[in-house]
Amino acid sequence: ETGVTQTPRHLVMGMTNKKSLKCEQHLGHNAMYWYKQSAKKPLELMFVYSLEERVENNSVPSRFSPECPNSSHLFLHLHTLQPEDSALYLCASSQESPLVEKLFFGSGTQLSVL
Amino acid sequence: DAKTTQPPSMDCAEGRAANLPCNHSTISGNEYVYWYRQIHSQGPQYIIHGLKNNETNEMASLIITEDRKSSTLILPHATLRDTAVYYCIVRPWGDSNYQLIWGAGTKLIIKP
Repeated sequence: ETGVTQTPRHLVMGMTNKKSLKCEQHLGHNAMYWYKQSAKKPLELMFVYSLEERVENNSVPSRFSPECPNSSHLFLHLHTLQPEDSALYLCASSQESPLVEKLFFGSGTQLSVL
Repeated sequence: DAKTTQPPSMDCAEGRAANLPCNHSTISGNEYVYWYRQIHSQGPQYIIHGLKNNETNEMASLIITEDRKSSTLILPHATLRDTAVYYCIVRPWGDSNYQLIWGAGTKLIIKP
């Protein structure tokens, strides 16, 4: 148990669906992240929120829309995805002190887009 | 940004020390070396990090060479649960300090 919980663990969606991934951290951290891990590719940073403000947005297509309503919760809203978006989506959190030292990851959501 | 080179895979016998090498020959003086591991179907797990001194915690030891161009992660008594992909990454300094440059890692298989 890492203190970062992601739901759902698995998700299958069609290209016209709208779904959301949820992440919750119980560590009192003030930064939260979304990463994408495709098969046989390195982890890719998608978004970073620090103190509930988006501070990093790595040229991610607009069909991915993050939301951070408070420091403990992070969402990734998905719409009109493509099959190449199938991947493991990982949420992480950290405490900035002021520098990021350790990331704590959830178990991820395995997403399949049909 | 410094990049790292790791062997794609390694085997180790259960109970023995697992020594995972990492080459980071272009590392800058103020960049840290981090190690994470990812067990199958889970998110990565932080193991240890260091700047230039050797570091030890309850999970592992990190040995960084004096010129900082390479390092070794040591799992002193490997168990089957240590089977995972191990990532050696270097953290850039400065404004983009959220970025961790992840490579392919080393797949460590612990054999009974």
